[in-house]
Amino acid sequence: SYVLTQPPSVSVAPGQAARITCGGNDIGSKSVHWYQQKPGQAPVLVVYDDSDRPSGIPERFSGSNSGNTATLTISRVEAGDEADYYCQVWDSSWDGSSDHPVFGGGTSLTVL
Amino acid sequence: EVQLVESGGGLVKPGGSLRLSCVASGFTFSTYNLNWVRQAPGKGLEWVSSISSSSTYMYYADSVKGRFTISRDNAKNSLYLQMNSLGAEDTAVYYCARDWTHYMDAWGKGTTVTVAS
Repeated sequence: SYVLTQPPSVSVAPGQAARITCGGNDIGSKSVHWYQQKPGQAPVLVVYDDSDRPSGIPERFSGSNSGNTATLTISRVEAGDEADYYCQVWDSSWDGSSDHPVFGGGTSLTVL
Repeated sequence: EVQLVESGGGLVKPGGSLRLSCVASGFTFSTYNLNWVRQAPGKGLEWVSSISSSSTYMYYADSVKGRFTISRDNAKNSLYLQMNSLGAEDTAVYYCARDWTHYMDAWGKGTTVTVAS
């Protein structure tokens, strides 16, 4: 099964940029999606298809994907961005017998 | 407004069963694939099961295969998860999530399942 690797934690000062990585074998050939989860709340989609933003998500959230690493970048970080962030891809078996989403382990973003 | 509301969680003894429900509103339920995703206390997100819009395809994580059954009733805008032979490892918040081209664009608030004696 496909494995996604995220750093457990990232810290950044307010106003700076935070970069959260998601590693996977040839992940650049897949579409990567990112979710934000604040304590006690359900996840919220913040970036889909590598770099698109759902309506209502600030332009400060952006994504990129190439090679073996996808990156979520949050520019001009605010205290309200403190949360856990998860990357996700879709893993398809060669015979279509098992198509399913795969999540990274999550990264806890701390705003200093 | 898109809404997904889970229910049916609770405290159950090891080996017991539980049936979760998710009622949807604000969109054409019958045209979307749906997922169950769980999160154990202090842990990350784990995909549990998926079902296609017309129930043609159903997929399960290896950790629940043979014990959990996903189903839906499009007439009732409802998604279900029948969970049997529950163990402590199934303790988690269970979310239903709408699938749109392989990402989840809407989530419920979740329902908590606790397996303990």
